[in-house]
Amino acid sequence: NAGVMQNPRHLVRRRGQEARLRCSPMKGHSHVYWYRQLPEEGLKFMVYLQKENIIDESGMPKERFSAEFPKEGPSILRIQQVVRGDSAAYFCASSPLPLDTQYFGPGTRLTVL
Amino acid sequence: GENVEQHPSTLSVQEGDSAVIKCTYSDSASNYFPWYKQELGKGPQLIIDIRSNVGEKKDQRIAVTLNKTAKHFSLHITETQPEDSAVYFCAASQATNTGNQFYFGTGTSLTVIP
Repeated sequence: NAGVMQNPRHLVRRRGQEARLRCSPMKGHSHVYWYRQLPEEGLKFMVYLQKENIIDESGMPKERFSAEFPKEGPSILRIQQVVRGDSAAYFCASSPLPLDTQYFGPGTRLTVL
Repeated sequence: GENVEQHPSTLSVQEGDSAVIKCTYSDSASNYFPWYKQELGKGPQLIIDIRSNVGEKKDQRIAVTLNKTAKHFSLHITETQPEDSAVYFCAASQATNTGNQFYFGTGTSLTVIP
C-alpha cells in the first residue's frame, strides 16, 4: 500500500507566478489535510478536505490560497501570485476516517525567488 | 483555539541514555496526542500516539505518558541510538464536526552522540 504521495518534491517560482501542489492520499483514505511548515517551526494547519468538499479552511490565508479535492484525482493546493513569504514546506496528510490518525507525505518544498 | 508548547527545543544525549520530551496543551477537550519523527528532508512519521482514556502507552523503546489533569504529555525514548537523531513533534487534537486538525508543538531536535 503506497503511502501519501506529493509532487513535485521541490518547486521554484518567481514572485507573481502560480504554484500548484498535488497530494494523492493513501489508498482508501478520503480525508486530506494540508499543513505548512516554515523553517525551524512546527506544522501549521491550513485546510481539511473530503472528496469534493472543503470542511475546514480556517488556517488558510484569505487571499491567493485555495484548495480542492475532486472526485477523481489528487488534492490540489494552489497559491496564486506567490510572494517570498510563501517559501516553506507544504505537507499533506490523509486519514481513512475523520477521527483516525493522519499519515503524512514527504512534502513539497516551495522556494519563491 | 488549542495551543501546544514543547520543550526542550534541542536535546543532546549520549548513545544508550534516555531522552524525554515534554508537551503541554491548553484545551481540555483535546483527546488525541500523536508524536511524529521528522528526518531531514522528509515528512513527519508517526511513532506513537495516545488517547485521553489511557495514561501510558509503550512500544519497545518508546513510551508516551499523559496527564489530563495537568494537561501535559511526554515522550520517553530509552536506550537511544544514533538513528534516533531527528526532530520530534508532539500534537494535540480533538475530533469535531469539522474534522480533526492537529495542533503541533514547535519541535525538539534530538541528537544522539555515538
